[in-house]
Amino acid sequence: GAGVSQSPRYKVAKRGQDVALRCDPISGHVSLFWYQQALGQGPEFLTYFQNEAQLDKSGLPSDRFFAERPEGSVSTLKIQRTQQEDSAVYLCASSLDRTDTQYFGPGTRLTVL
Amino acid sequence: AQSVTQLDSQVPVFEEAPVELRCNYSSSVSVYLFWYVQYPNQGLQLLLKYLSGSTLVKGINGFEAEFNKSQTSFHLRKPSVHISDTAEYFCAVIPNRDDKIIFGKGTRLHILP
Repeated sequence: GAGVSQSPRYKVAKRGQDVALRCDPISGHVSLFWYQQALGQGPEFLTYFQNEAQLDKSGLPSDRFFAERPEGSVSTLKIQRTQQEDSAVYLCASSLDRTDTQYFGPGTRLTVL
Repeated sequence: AQSVTQLDSQVPVFEEAPVELRCNYSSSVSVYLFWYVQYPNQGLQLLLKYLSGSTLVKGINGFEAEFNKSQTSFHLRKPSVHISDTAEYFCAVIPNRDDKIIFGKGTRLHILP
């Protein structure tokens, strides 16, 4: 069956631009997570959805970061006024529930120039 | 704050030799533990997980890990590595049932011919 997909796979943005990153979770997965993975580091939690409800956004680094999952399926991570420090791989994962196995997408590599 | 420590950033090992990748976590009342693997240009894939029960956990691709509560460790082992095991390995922990997953910084496994 289809796994988690993310688009685009690569995104280059000029500093100050807004970007939108999309995640299509596995069908039927209630939980959806976003992570930021800087070069040479492990993934760091950004935010968590249970269906359409954003239950935890404590990892979002600033108010320039915004995530939504309006119909409890596809999710979008938006970054406004991108900065160079936002350059990273953004990973999406989904699972049946919060502590179940998380299935990861391939990630979106964001480069801010 | 809860943390996960992977002591080795890189581990070189000869093909067909055994390997151990070390992981320690800060103590907690209850904990769920995971090892994920990230092959080049791919998303993270679950190798194995410990939720409860037997402290020796067997995963995919011949890997296993042992939960040691007294030493707060969850080291990953394989008795004989193959060139295809070249990847980055991430240890992760969920400190309490409702907490977010925390990843270590990763260990890059280099298989030498």
